[in-house]
Amino acid sequence: AQSVAQPEDQVNVAEGNPLTVKCTYSVSGNPYLFWYVQYPNRGLQFLLKYITGDNLVKGSYGFEAEFNKSQTSFHLKKPSALVSDSALYFCAVSLTGRRALTFGSGTRLQVQP
Amino acid sequence: GAVVSQHPSRVICKSGTSVKIECRSLDFQATTMFWYRQFPKQSLMLMATSNEGSKATYEQGVEKDKFLINHASLTLSTLTVTSAHPEDSSFYICSASTPGQGAYGYTFGSGTRLTVV
Repeated sequence: AQSVAQPEDQVNVAEGNPLTVKCTYSVSGNPYLFWYVQYPNRGLQFLLKYITGDNLVKGSYGFEAEFNKSQTSFHLKKPSALVSDSALYFCAVSLTGRRALTFGSGTRLQVQP
Repeated sequence: GAVVSQHPSRVICKSGTSVKIECRSLDFQATTMFWYRQFPKQSLMLMATSNEGSKATYEQGVEKDKFLINHASLTLSTLTVTSAHPEDSSFYICSASTPGQGAYGYTFGSGTRLTVV
């Protein structure tokens, strides 16, 4: 089965501290991996994607993610969290032979001032 | 950048009526549009994929006669929830494959919250 998992329902971090939102995947073939952020009652905003190339991908708003093939992970990171980063974060994978995205269950990030 | 305009943002309808949700690509041609459904505190589930000028491809378990998708032009795709029932209440989001962002660029609409009473 091809899937993506976000093991944490919620991540809490203090403003100014580094943050990590975890994502692992299971696909056959080469994965195409994405991170999106969703604010309440809004659509999804693109943060970054990994298709090929450097394992460290830099994206919008200071976020980055590292593709780790051996651990089948694509964790989202930011060196210094902001209160405005508080939102729902989705990891997604594009399955081999398909172009639609399969989403993880989402992780709510709470950044405390 | 690419923008997908989705309307309405919120709609309340009576049980048994139909509701149409529109997604328009404002500054690009969307040959492929994806429709997702999101239940409260849950992830997005793909409902169907539509290509301009052809019939939509529905995911397993999605009733195509209930969720009618029309993609008649390169800038407009619509989802009509027919004979809506309270269990159809959900957040519906469209997404268009976006040229210029490689094979896997997507732009999402802002979503429609449907409440059936």
